[in-house]
Amino acid sequence: DAGITQSPRHKVTETGTPVTLRCHQTENHRYMYWYRQDPGHGLRLIHYSYGVKDTDKGEVSDGYSVSRSKTEDFLLTLESATSSQTSVYFCAISEVQGGSPLHFGNGTRLTVT
Amino acid sequence: AQSVAQPEDQVNVAEGNPLTVKCTYSVSGNPYLFWYVQYPNRGLQFLLKYITGDNLVKGSYGFEAEFNKSQTSFHLKKPSALVSDSALYFCAVRGNAGNMLTFGGGTRLMVKP
Repeated sequence: DAGITQSPRHKVTETGTPVTLRCHQTENHRYMYWYRQDPGHGLRLIHYSYGVKDTDKGEVSDGYSVSRSKTEDFLLTLESATSSQTSVYFCAISEVQGGSPLHFGNGTRLTVT
Repeated sequence: AQSVAQPEDQVNVAEGNPLTVKCTYSVSGNPYLFWYVQYPNRGLQFLLKYITGDNLVKGSYGFEAEFNKSQTSFHLKKPSALVSDSALYFCAVRGNAGNMLTFGGGTRLMVKP
């Protein structure tokens, strides 16, 4: 696996609480992404980053925010978790855009009760 | 907007038989196309990609994919399936002017001994 670490691997939280997921890479890749995976929907992009402090929204960004203060770290925050945010969250990295493949972490399973 | 369709939720094949997992796409401009595989409790692993050139692309683990521009398809194939190929397969597309990689809903491949 590419050098991508997601933490925590599992989390259970209550509705209304804030949650932060962390993605750490050791590949020095410019681009980082957060996806969520839900049955029947494949993977959907939440937010992505194209450099330190440079981020943009994906197709399902409502209720999520991100930050990237260092090349190696990309944080995903749920300001006030809802049950609809129960999902498996994947971080991915890529060196460049275009034809460069994404490399994925092993995911964080988040359950909001 | 770009999109990917994987029309089969599940494909069943016998070990040793050829397999095909179907993918069609819609995108503006020339596409970058990818196949990924996901094993249980793991992130997605890159299998192969099409950027330009030869329509038949060879990838990891004996997989190949055929790009057909007129049919906007990028079907994944393998001449002889193994039980260990059983997994979830995702097709993805990115337009040459875009930043987002869009995934299909996934196809579960079951290879039976």
